[in-house]
Amino acid sequence: NAGVTQTPKFQVLKTGQSMTLQCAQDMNHNSMYWYRQDPGMGLRLIYYSASEGTTDKGEVPNGYNVSRLNKREFSLRLESAAPSQTSVYFCASSERALSNTEAFFGQGTRLTVV
Amino acid sequence: GQSLEQPSEVTAVEGAIVQINCTYQTSGFYGLSWYQQHDGGAPTFLSYNALDGLEETGRFSSFLSRSDSYGYLLLQELQMKDSASYFCAVRPPALSSGSARQLTFGSGTQLTVLP
Repeated sequence: NAGVTQTPKFQVLKTGQSMTLQCAQDMNHNSMYWYRQDPGMGLRLIYYSASEGTTDKGEVPNGYNVSRLNKREFSLRLESAAPSQTSVYFCASSERALSNTEAFFGQGTRLTVV
Repeated sequence: GQSLEQPSEVTAVEGAIVQINCTYQTSGFYGLSWYQQHDGGAPTFLSYNALDGLEETGRFSSFLSRSDSYGYLLLQELQMKDSASYFCAVRPPALSSGSARQLTFGSGTQLTVLP
């Protein structure tokens, strides 16, 4: 049971470099999300996609872009990485954006920007 | 917007009962969820309360009082494997707009279970 799969698991970037975090889910969920988690700050929503073909900003979107490639895949791009983007990034999916169904999370990408 | 408050740390011994509280301030309310996260792992869903009262799932129970904007997670018969971070999260009403429509998480409570 794959669930939500994120790649890569670890990444070190130099300031100014770009990269794309990949996320795929195999549960036929409509909604997908990108969160970042920093020590003592819980999970903060970066972007979300309520359904295929739509994306919206979350609480902390600056410095990021997203693409909902198809129903399964939702990628997060850092165009010019900054040390403030050092964090653990989690992708998640849920059946519907506004339902009370649980969100399923990937294992996270640990990103360090030096 | 929404804000949630939880204690940052709780410590208890194996076999004991522990309660993790969560108070929230939201412009509306649609439900309170709880997630567990072990060190280095992904958050996993534990429970959800839409209405006042207690929801029980095995050793874990979750309680909600909407009039008090308060909920808690109750863990019974604590085991070492319960050592983890626990997050409460609120979902605002469907009439909210933009990112306010999505789950907002608290900062988490680190539970340490001692032998």
